[in-house]
Formats: sequence, C-alpha cells, structure tokens
Amino acid sequence: DQQVKQNSPSLSVQEGRISILNCDYTNSMFDYFLWYKKYPAEGPTFLISISSIKDKNEDGRFTVFLNKSAKHLSLHIVPSQPGDSAVYFCAASRSSGDKLTFGTGTRLAVRP
Amino acid sequence: DTGVSQNPRHKITKRGQNVTFRCDPISEHNRLYWYRQTLGQGPEFLTYFQNEAQLEKSRLLSDRFSAERPKGSFSTLEIQRTEQGDSAMYLCASSSSRDSQLSYEQYFGPGTRLTVT
Repeated sequence: DQQVKQNSPSLSVQEGRISILNCDYTNSMFDYFLWYKKYPAEGPTFLISISSIKDKNEDGRFTVFLNKSAKHLSLHIVPSQPGDSAVYFCAASRSSGDKLTFGTGTRLAVRP
Repeated sequence: DTGVSQNPRHKITKRGQNVTFRCDPISEHNRLYWYRQTLGQGPEFLTYFQNEAQLEKSRLLSDRFSAERPKGSFSTLEIQRTEQGDSAMYLCASSSSRDSQLSYEQYFGPGTRLTVT
C-alpha cells in the first residue's frame, strides 16, 4: 500500500526553466511533508518542508505547494540549474519525531 | 559540525553470514532511525529509537534483524543469516528536539550498501 506516490519516475528540464515535481498521498493523518534530494552513493539531503496548516513554503529557488483537499504537493525549482540534477523524494510524517513515509522518487535531469 | 556517519560504507557478504552496521548520529540528537532502500524505491522505515529506547519496529524487520542503541548515542543494526533479499542500502537518520519539541526533519547518513552473494 503506497501511501506516498510520485508518479513521474523522471523529468528533464532545460537549464534556467522551471522544474515541477509532483507528489500525492493517501493518508489523511499526515501533517507534515518534506522533500529530500539524493545524489548517487549519498544519503538523502533535506531540502524543504511544509506543515499541513500552510499551503506554500518558499526557500530561495525552491517552493513547495500543498493542496490538502487534493492530497497533493509539488516542488517548484526556479531557475533550474545543472547541479539540481538528482533524485527527489517526497516524504510525509504523522507527527513530529515520527517515522517518514517516502515516495519512490523522481529523477530530475537539468540540461545545460 | 559533523553529520550522521555510518560504517562500513560497503559490505559484501555470503548468504548465511551475520553482518553488523554502525551509525553515529549528530551529537545531541536523541532520535535515531533506520531505513532500508532498494533499487527504484524510496527509503522504507525499519525502526527508531528515542535515546536508548526502541519505540517502533516495522514488520519489514524480521526476527533476523536486531537494532540496539545501548547508551543513547551510536546504534548498531545486525542481520543474522543474511539472505540475497537483504541486499540494499541501509540508511540511518537522526533528528533533534529543542525545548522538548521534537523535530520533523531527519538528517541522513551516507548509508551502508550491503551485497549478499
């Protein structure tokens, strides 16, 4: 039972353009959502997060949007840079300190 | 500032052997988590500790798996009688609490890649 879903396994974007990565969830008990970035042979690196009481959180080039009614969130990267090429994981948590439930990831390739 | 460290980074073992991995969390992080990641999947939760107490274990964690955090600092994950299906990346993460508030964000180590032949 996949509670967090990333339906696009890969995405290719031109440098300087916007990258939009999507994530859907099914468990209404999730109240916090996180995005992680992963390079090969490294552990996931925390990128940005959002609480369920908000619908947007922005940090530099990265913005996460949350639509609770649709159980959908998205990560926007503007402008995209070649160094952003990595696998991006969406994760969700039911409460602070609780385990994370991850999606299967989206591989982003930013073309120079 | 040291992050989460894991040793070894790679382990190749024969089926039936026992293996043990170590995780050193960020100092003063009182929660420590173990996850497993296989090819094409996201990390899957295995177990976690609050200080030395093991609070939750996933049903993925069969009787052959055991985890400890004896002094509330580093943790070990042992797999007994390894099987080829145990081949995966084993990830450790830690999170902090400030003013008795637990953090949502978890910080991951580089992982231990296990190959069972």
